[in-house]
Amino acid sequence: DAGVIQSPRHEVTEMGQEVTLRCKPISGHNSLFWYRQTMMRGLELLIYFNNNVPIDDSGMPEDRFSAKMPNASFSTLKIQPSEPRDSAVYFCASSLGRGITNEKLFFGSGTQLSVL
Amino acid sequence: AQSVTQPDIHITVSEGASLELRCNYSYGATPYLFWYVQSPGQGLQLLLKYFSGDTLVQGIKGFEAEFKRSQSSFNLRKPSVHWSDAAEYFCAVAAGSFGNEKLTFGTGTRLTIIP
Repeated sequence: DAGVIQSPRHEVTEMGQEVTLRCKPISGHNSLFWYRQTMMRGLELLIYFNNNVPIDDSGMPEDRFSAKMPNASFSTLKIQPSEPRDSAVYFCASSLGRGITNEKLFFGSGTQLSVL
Repeated sequence: AQSVTQPDIHITVSEGASLELRCNYSYGATPYLFWYVQSPGQGLQLLLKYFSGDTLVQGIKGFEAEFKRSQSSFNLRKPSVHWSDAAEYFCAVAAGSFGNEKLTFGTGTRLTIIP
């Protein structure tokens, strides 16, 4: 398996533009997580899905952020409109089952987002 | 709410020397604890985890960690580091009802290896 695949690897955009980050989890995995990593705040969980259903989105910072998982093999994280403070590395991760205490999280390589 | 503190932002050690990375957690119940490693430009990889039982946990790449409840610590150790161990290391604690756990990460410790 190719692992968790994220695209694009790098995204540079201007303030106010819409940004869409994409993630393909490992085939057969039922849980998908979106994390944001910044120097100041470290790694933060934004949202996670189980069987394509959002379970906890309490980490989504504002209404400008939205995430969808239309099927088991694809998820998007959208920021509209984007702001400079959204600049960060966004990671997608997946796991085989529900929750993470009995499962191993597999991370993608991340999307480096720069909002100018 | 649970939290994780990694007091050392950056550590430099010589190749072949021993290593200890500190991690302190705050959580009201029995914690589930993890160490992840992030190589440059890569995602995170699980090194080891503690759920219960033996408080000394063995992981991949020769790493181990010891859970000390009295000190609320879960420090990562390696007896002899290799240049390939240079990376960023994250401690994490999981909390929540079964099946709805959330991982809370520390801010990370960057490890530099000098020849």
